[in-house]
Amino acid sequence: GAVVSQHPSRVICKSGTSVKIECRSLDFQATTMFWYRQFPKQSLMLMATSNEGSKATYEQGVEKDKFLINHASLTLSTLTVTSAHPEDSSFYICSARPAGGASGTGELFFGEGSRLTVL
Amino acid sequence: AQSVTQLGSHVSVSEGALVLLRCNYSSSVPPYLFWYVQYPNQGLQLLLKYTSAATLVKGINGFEAEFKKSETSFHLTKPSAHMSDAAEYFCAVSEYRDDKIIFGKGTRLHILP
Repeated sequence: GAVVSQHPSRVICKSGTSVKIECRSLDFQATTMFWYRQFPKQSLMLMATSNEGSKATYEQGVEKDKFLINHASLTLSTLTVTSAHPEDSSFYICSARPAGGASGTGELFFGEGSRLTVL
Repeated sequence: AQSVTQLGSHVSVSEGALVLLRCNYSSSVPPYLFWYVQYPNQGLQLLLKYTSAATLVKGINGFEAEFKKSETSFHLTKPSAHMSDAAEYFCAVSEYRDDKIIFGKGTRLHILP
């Protein structure tokens, strides 16, 4: 099946630094990728929709200047947490819809997640 | 607005027993409904989905779910639990042809030997 890989799987950084998380579709092209945030023992909250070649669409309440999303190619989207603070510590998950795939079918392929810890 | 409510954040069943994970949804339009499974430190995997076809949906690993409009429910079942079924399960809803999936808070399934 289709594989989505996230890197790094775990990252620890100091407060005030920026961290970049990559989401790659390994064996398919993805025009649309999604970024989620998952707090401990809670559900996934959609942060933004990333479209290849255009600006990301952020959900209400998500700071676009804080969470920079770039979808420069059909196989890579990146999430950069700028000036990270301890409250940004979380599990970040991406998902991708294969190019040409029908929207709304739930056929999204999820990455393994990246755990960010900000000291 | 759409929402999903999963009853019970933790469910424990004995190996070989019936698994029942409850999910109720709220939607102003006919919904698409999904169940996903998440193993520790992994992403989500689609178990099954309802997209307005058959109300009884069969998924992977022996799971199935039944869409009941009158009860606004989409409960997940499996006749006989296996140790490998221990994981976090998320019920989710979306509108027709919309990838903005709204997830429930999840239910952690524990399998007792």
